[in-house]
Amino acid sequence: AQSVTQLDSQVPVFEEAPVELRCNYSSSVSVYLFWYVQYPNQGLQLLLKYLSGSTLVKGINGFEAEFNKSQTSFHLRKPSVHISDTAEYFCAVSAYYQGAQKLVFGQGTRLTINP
Amino acid sequence: NAGVTQTPKFRILKIGQSMTLQCTQDMNHNYMYWYRQDPGMGLKLIYYSVGAGITDKGEVPNGYNVSRSTTEDFPLRLELAAPSQTSVYFCASRVAGGHETQYFGPGTRLLVL
Repeated sequence: AQSVTQLDSQVPVFEEAPVELRCNYSSSVSVYLFWYVQYPNQGLQLLLKYLSGSTLVKGINGFEAEFNKSQTSFHLRKPSVHISDTAEYFCAVSAYYQGAQKLVFGQGTRLTINP
Repeated sequence: NAGVTQTPKFRILKIGQSMTLQCTQDMNHNYMYWYRQDPGMGLKLIYYSVGAGITDKGEVPNGYNVSRSTTEDFPLRLELAAPSQTSVYFCASRVAGGHETQYFGPGTRLLVL
């Protein structure tokens, strides 16, 4: 069975500092990985996804993630964060369940940006 | 396009009451999903549907029911509300095929007292 582990439940950083949110996955088959962001009191929206090809994936709002097959990781990074990046971030792996695609989510990482 | 819409935004239920959470999408997506989000637990799949008239259980279906009579609508029914169903519920949809992006609604916050 596929699973996702987000190694940090909370990450506080100062504005304009770099940030890395860690995600590790386990899968015995081909891997398709996603990062979603949830702003306060809103639904989830896609930041970026890895389906195939280049292991460095660029997403919206200056975020990027690197797929590392040997370390089974898909860490999310941003070189300089803003107050508006305060949100909860979810890593997810796409899996087939009873013949239909579903997302298996990590526990989430709450990113707090301090001025 | 409104995308995925959910109603109500917030509801308080008493133990044993029933209610229906509404979900509608206007993107003509075949696949629709219901998740619940509990603090520190990520999102768990309750039910999903691959098209009108076809539904199936996810990881945590107990206490819930669904129907899919149209492509657009995918309501989630709670028959006998229990405190363990206090959660935030998200509906999502996507096109068929591959590992396409799921699009989420804004959520319904449910409190069972």
